[in-house]
Amino acid sequence: NAGVTQTPKFRVLKTGQSMTLLCAQDMNHEYMYWYRQDPGMGLRLIHYSVGEGTTAKGEVPDGYNVSRLKKQNFLLGLESAAPSQTSVYFCASTTGYNEQFFGPGTRLTVL
Amino acid sequence: KQEVTQIPAALSVPEGENLVLNCSFTDSAIYNLQWFRQDPGKGLTSLLLIQSSQREQTSGRLNASLDKSSGRSTLYIAASQPGDSATYLCAVSGRDDKIIFGKGTRLHILP
Repeated sequence: NAGVTQTPKFRVLKTGQSMTLLCAQDMNHEYMYWYRQDPGMGLRLIHYSVGEGTTAKGEVPDGYNVSRLKKQNFLLGLESAAPSQTSVYFCASTTGYNEQFFGPGTRLTVL
Repeated sequence: KQEVTQIPAALSVPEGENLVLNCSFTDSAIYNLQWFRQDPGKGLTSLLLIQSSQREQTSGRLNASLDKSSGRSTLYIAASQPGDSATYLCAVSGRDDKIIFGKGTRLHILP
């Protein structure tokens, strides 16, 4: 039982490049979330999903897209990376009304 | 729009003291509130989850209370230890399925 895993752990991009972050959970959770964490800002919600095939915008969705084609996976895409997207990205999952479980994070630097 | 505020932003106390961290939220229509701990450069560790129907939860030296009507939660740490030094985050799960975080309280326990 791996819980929530994130791939990759680190990544460096150049401005304008694209990439996809993968979040996977093996707890059969319906709800999945993507956050970004910047110094002094806490965690800010980017996008979330309440079930397979559904996605919704969070607090800071601009510049990101997501997909939930399989219940266990939640993908976060950056189509054209910008330096402002340099951050640590966390994924989380939950049954909906219970404890939220987090992945270890992905540290992304955009040059 | 749910807003979560944590006061103070930073706190330093001598070892052995009892302390209280505060979390307030603007929309009282919540499902639950969760407290997390985050060590520098690390992921989030869940401490306590309080459902909207509950008033408090306890785990060891930690006690979290919830007053949904006034939009407040407190995390009480008894007999603080240097190992308690970390950032403490609260997160509110709302009826719009979003989970919103405060910016955290950075706690430093002085040996």
